[in-house]
Amino acid sequence: DAGITQSPRHKVTETGTPVTLRCHQTENHRYMYWYRQDPGHGLRLIHYSYGVKDTDKGEVSDGYSVSRSKTEDFLLTLESATSSQTSVYFCATNDGTEPRGYTFGSGTRLTVV
Amino acid sequence: SQQGEEDPQALSIQEGENATMNCSYKTSINNLQWYRQNSGRGLVHLILIRSNEREKHSGRLRVTLDTSKKSSSLLITASRAADTASYFCATDRVGDKLIFGTGTRLQVFP
Repeated sequence: DAGITQSPRHKVTETGTPVTLRCHQTENHRYMYWYRQDPGHGLRLIHYSYGVKDTDKGEVSDGYSVSRSKTEDFLLTLESATSSQTSVYFCATNDGTEPRGYTFGSGTRLTVV
Repeated sequence: SQQGEEDPQALSIQEGENATMNCSYKTSINNLQWYRQNSGRGLVHLILIRSNEREKHSGRLRVTLDTSKKSSSLLITASRAADTASYFCATDRVGDKLIFGTGTRLQVFP
């Protein structure tokens, strides 16, 4: 997981509150992704970014927004947290220059009560 | 929706045995990748096979790809207890993002 830091690692929040998760990379990768991992669903793409201020939706984007003001940072915001957003969230990066694997962070475990 | 589906969902073997996991997918792909995830950790990239390749090796890993059947297999030879983890296939379609399967949980007993 060297080069990608996710914060916080664990968070418990109440339903209806906004929550922001941070992904910080030192890889200078152009592409960044947010996935959520749930039992029985594997990893599902929430949002991704292909450059500073360039973002797009993934397959499960409802209730989430993202921002990328610097190459290094990709923020995921839950506008109003719901219990269905209890999950483990992973950030990943890719330099996009040729087909190669993604680099993943260690994840953020979010519990919405 | 999931692009890849792994089979079996769970696999238990003894150290020294080979472990085989299969992945099926639905649409044409640019490449297929395999990842490992240890409990409580992020995913680690293991190997990538392009759509025009049929087999690839990396250490004790052997990956095959059959695009006519839309399937891939990951073979881990001479398994070790340290190989205990979940394994995911992921497909990269042209102009699209990496889509993951639901994973195979591998348990290797000493």
